[in-house]
Amino acid sequence: EVPLVESGGGLVQPGGSLRLSCAASGFTFSTYWMHWVRQAPGKGLVWVSRINSDGSSASYADSVKGRFTISRDNAKNSLYLQMNSLRAEDTAVYYCGGNSDYRFDPWGQGTLVTVSS
Amino acid sequence: QSALTQPASVSGSPGQSITISCTGTSSDIGLYNYVSWYQQHPGKAPKLMIYHVSSRPSGVSDRFSASKSGNTASLTISGLQAEDEADYFCSSYTRTLWVFGGGTKLTVL
Repeated sequence: EVPLVESGGGLVQPGGSLRLSCAASGFTFSTYWMHWVRQAPGKGLVWVSRINSDGSSASYADSVKGRFTISRDNAKNSLYLQMNSLRAEDTAVYYCGGNSDYRFDPWGQGTLVTVSS
Repeated sequence: QSALTQPASVSGSPGQSITISCTGTSSDIGLYNYVSWYQQHPGKAPKLMIYHVSSRPSGVSDRFSASKSGNTASLTISGLQAEDEADYFCSSYTRTLWVFGGGTKLTVL
């Protein structure tokens, strides 16, 4: 069983919007802080955003602040990332990751977002 | 939110040991004992190898060890095996945010 499965990626034009989803199973989702981490083609991992276990608090990397919104629905064991005003530099594989006790585990398999005209 | 600094690549022969460094600042690695390391094979999701500077999750080989001194963390892999060839990323908590290293490509010769 795969603990985290992302969906919602695809091709979008600059300035467009996209909503990513991450479905969790096999662990107590509601107790984990959840994160989005992205990886541009051939590049390293970059932390994007996190949300606490009950959804009352979120943080963002400066590069996405004001454009991206993270949210969760513990009743549906799901994490989301609303991405607006997308730019070419947002092109990446987006991973969702669970974080308990300051370690990223588990990870999803990622979903590719391509921003291009 | 600057990335942690890692060497772009390291290499070693089977059976040898290698060390990958990860340099941060007094606001991240130097301040918190929340350094973790991840292994990533091509096209795959990252895998947790080390957390809290030097702790290994269950199932991770004891050939993997890690430490921290000041603003620099290090990952050592002993008894190199072919399957260790992968990218390795460090990560640290820093004042409500998180930062990753740029990644190090390990080649097993």
